[in-house]
Amino acid sequence: DVVMTQSPLSLPVTLGQPASISCRSSQSLVYSDGNTYLNWFQQRPGQSPGRLIYKVSNRDSGVPDRFSGSGSGTDFTLKISRVEAEDVGVYYCMQHTHWPPTFGQGTKLEIK
Amino acid sequence: QVQLVQSGAEVKEPGASVKVSCKASGYTFTDYYMHWVRQAPGQGLEWMAWINPNSGDTNYAQKFQGRVTVSRDTSISTAYMDLSRLRSDDTAVYYCVRDLTNSNVGDCWGQGTLVTVSS
Repeated sequence: DVVMTQSPLSLPVTLGQPASISCRSSQSLVYSDGNTYLNWFQQRPGQSPGRLIYKVSNRDSGVPDRFSGSGSGTDFTLKISRVEAEDVGVYYCMQHTHWPPTFGQGTKLEIK
Repeated sequence: QVQLVQSGAEVKEPGASVKVSCKASGYTFTDYYMHWVRQAPGQGLEWMAWINPNSGDTNYAQKFQGRVTVSRDTSISTAYMDLSRLRSDDTAVYYCVRDLTNSNVGDCWGQGTLVTVSS
């Protein structure tokens, strides 16, 4: 299985400041169709996860534009331009280029 | 609106089985795959299986092969996940997720079902 490694695992951030989460895969996530199937999910405290970003950099409907995704191959990044209180939670990357789908360990974002 | 409502929390003894249900509403049940993902306490997410509600085809993570069975009842738009030979490390919240790996549609998660395995 493809191993997804996130860093950092804990991310204290001051309100209004930027935040960045790294996700690295043990194999390239470029699929034979040319797409890279790397998603980001947010899980707020006490809630189910929900997708933020799909195929590396595409924001889901309703996701604020302060969230952005980038990267290629095996290295990916989720950035929040200015952290707000509602962004507290755990963020997961997930690949589904290779079967089975696998998730990173999660990065817990908290307000400093 | 699209909604997945799961069955309530369960407490099971080691060696027993559990069946979790996931009732879909707000969309055509047979149009989208249903996945099952679990989350152990304080841990990350782990993909378990999917079912194509239209055909009944299934796919399982190798880790759970032989212990997990996913099924559906299209007449009531409900998917099921059956996990047998429960162990203490199966204690987790189990989620159903509509089309987790379809980039062309937004995802939808159930509220989760806590399964506790304890003697």
